[in-house]
Amino acid sequence: QVQLVQSGAEVKKPGASVKLSCKASGYNFDNYYVHWVRQAPGQGLEWMGMINPSGGETRYTQKLQGRVTMTRDTSTTTVYMELSSLTSEDTAVYFCARARHGFDPWGQGTLVSVSS
Amino acid sequence: SYELTQAPSVSVSPGQTASITCFGDKLGNKYVSWYQQKPGQSPVLVIYQHSRRPSGIPERISGSSSGNTATLTIRGTQTMDEADYFCLAWDNDTAIFGGGTKLTVL
Repeated sequence: QVQLVQSGAEVKKPGASVKLSCKASGYNFDNYYVHWVRQAPGQGLEWMGMINPSGGETRYTQKLQGRVTMTRDTSTTTVYMELSSLTSEDTAVYFCARARHGFDPWGQGTLVSVSS
Repeated sequence: SYELTQAPSVSVSPGQTASITCFGDKLGNKYVSWYQQKPGQSPVLVIYQHSRRPSGIPERISGSSSGNTATLTIRGTQTMDEADYFCLAWDNDTAIFGGGTKLTVL
């Protein structure tokens, strides 16, 4: 079945970077964009950006431009999201999601905690 | 910047119809999708392209859109429908989520 499996929880200090992974399986990896969405504790969903696994093209939300980088490894059908210069406001659950008709399915989420 | 507005909460009695709305400028001209999220779980797509249901989503869940409003309707609401619901639309190649509506079934 179509599945996105994300890497485990991370604890980081302010100013550090974090790199999360999202491994896709059960479908043709090249054919569907993958998006990243985050959710701060008790808050709503925030779109971060997307990557085309086929050509590697990316688009990021303006808010995170310069701090976020999305990449992919077609040999392992894995998408990565790196966020730099972390602050406490980056504490959130980070989701990847395949874009087909809407975002479907979603990964299980990765909790990133930023604390000194 | 483009914004989508949702009421923070909606309450409904079991068996009744719940309507969850999403407001945005000319929203009816944009493709809207809806997501259900239960506590501690990942969101699940329940409606895409305004009114289409993914496989596995029951027919009692429906969507519509017109003018500045998109509406998610749940008929015969059950306790299992209690969740947060988020609308999503695209504006200038950017995905915008509504703030979410907490549906309480009581």
